[in-house]
Amino acid sequence: QSALTQPASVSGSPGQSITISCAGTSSDVGGYRYVSWYQQHPGTAPKLLIYDVSNRPSGVPHRFSGSKSGNTASLTISGLQAEDQADYYCASYTNSDTVIFGGGTKLTVL
Amino acid sequence: QVQLQESGPGLVKPSQTLSLTCTVSGDSISSGSHYWSWIRQFPGKGLEWIGHMYYSGSTFYNPTLKSRAAISVDTSKNQFSLKLNSVTAADTAVYYCARQAFFSWYFDLWGRGTLVTVSS
Repeated sequence: QSALTQPASVSGSPGQSITISCAGTSSDVGGYRYVSWYQQHPGTAPKLLIYDVSNRPSGVPHRFSGSKSGNTASLTISGLQAEDQADYYCASYTNSDTVIFGGGTKLTVL
Repeated sequence: QVQLQESGPGLVKPSQTLSLTCTVSGDSISSGSHYWSWIRQFPGKGLEWIGHMYYSGSTFYNPTLKSRAAISVDTSKNQFSLKLNSVTAADTAVYYCARQAFFSWYFDLWGRGTLVTVSS
């Protein structure tokens, strides 16, 4: 199963909104609501941001939101802050009873 | 506060077996409320789910690993372990243990990770 497709990099200025896409197929993203997003700062472990497409764990700011349309999921960060600069990964359950990840997107806050 | 901590050798020779242990504190593996997973991150930063286990001992693996992986549990020590045999340089990665939701497929807590290098 191939990795999910994410843009290699995105950038935005403080206060702006950005969206990171995560493209899959009907066998993964499109077929299930088990899409999650993770934030990873350098030298640290990934941290859960969004689960089941659009749910936020407690402690994650409301400016992080998730959605899905067809075979593509999206993570939107509104009111961009300097500390949001990190790598972001999407993940999805697949019809092979496994989880696959996206290749990661590097977010630069200008 | 729930914490996961990986431990094991940082260097493994090609063709040998990689062995790692994850110690869980602040939560009981035996509670049955979660799955417990191993995930690795390659030097190029790609992530790969290796497999998961339930406290009963049932396991499920990523088929891409072609049966090289084995996950086991020691509930008395609140630990679970990974063995990966016949390793090659392609298995060089940071290995994470993580807690996985029981009724979904996301990872809500991760260990800090441990780098394992496969080299002679």
